[in-house]
Amino acid sequence: KNEVEQSPQNLTAQEGEFITINCSYSVGISALHWLQQHPGGGIVSLFMLSSGKKKHGRLIATINIQEKHSSLHITASHPRDSAVYICAVRYSNTGNQFYFGTGTSLTVIP
Amino acid sequence: NAGVTQTPKFQVLKTGQSMTLQCAQDMNHNSMYWYRQDPGMGLRLIYYSASEGTTDKGEVPNGYNVSRLNKREFSLRLESAAPSQTSVYFCASRPGGRAFNQPQHFGDGTRLSIL
Repeated sequence: KNEVEQSPQNLTAQEGEFITINCSYSVGISALHWLQQHPGGGIVSLFMLSSGKKKHGRLIATINIQEKHSSLHITASHPRDSAVYICAVRYSNTGNQFYFGTGTSLTVIP
Repeated sequence: NAGVTQTPKFQVLKTGQSMTLQCAQDMNHNSMYWYRQDPGMGLRLIYYSASEGTTDKGEVPNGYNVSRLNKREFSLRLESAAPSQTSVYFCASRPGGRAFNQPQHFGDGTRLSIL
C-alpha cells in the first residue's frame, strides 16, 4: 500500500522559531511535492523535488531518497506561516498519480 | 491571471440529486485532476486526465464520472448524490507531458454538502 506519513500532526511555535515538518513514504518515488493550505482552504504549491534541497525565501525543503524521507524547514517563523502543510508523493510505479499525507497544522504565535 | 477556476464554490444537494462540478484552467496544461478532501484524511484522487481525450480512475472513483471536454475543461459529475460524498472537492492541473517534475496548481475548492 502506498502510504505517506507526516509528523507532527499539529505544531505550535513562537514567532521567530525554526520549524521542521517531516514526511516519510514507503516505496520509491519519482517526485515529492510540498504544499501549503491556507486557513481559507486554498492550496498553494511550495516545492516539487526529486533529490537534494530547494530553498525559497525562509522555506527550505530537503529530501533523502535512500531514507525515503523529506523535511520542510521554516526559518524565522511568522504568524502568517500559520497553515496546514501537506506532503504528496508520486511513486515511481504510479505515473501521474499523487498520494497525499494528512497534513501538519502549524500555528505560529506572536 | 485566473489559473484554475472551479464552480460553484458551495453547493447543498439532497440525496439522489445529480450535479456537475466545473473546472477550467488557462495555463495550457495537459494533466488535470479531481480530488476530494475529508477531515482527518489526505487529499484523495477521484479521477485524472493525463491529456485531452483521456481519463483514468484514481483511488476513490465510485459514484463519480468525469469528462475532459477540451484541453481547458475537466468536469466531475455526481449522478445520484449520497451523504458519503459530502466533502470539499479540489481540481488541479499541471503541465504533464515532458514537464515531468512541474507542480500541480489547485483551484479554490467546492464545498459540497449532501443531505
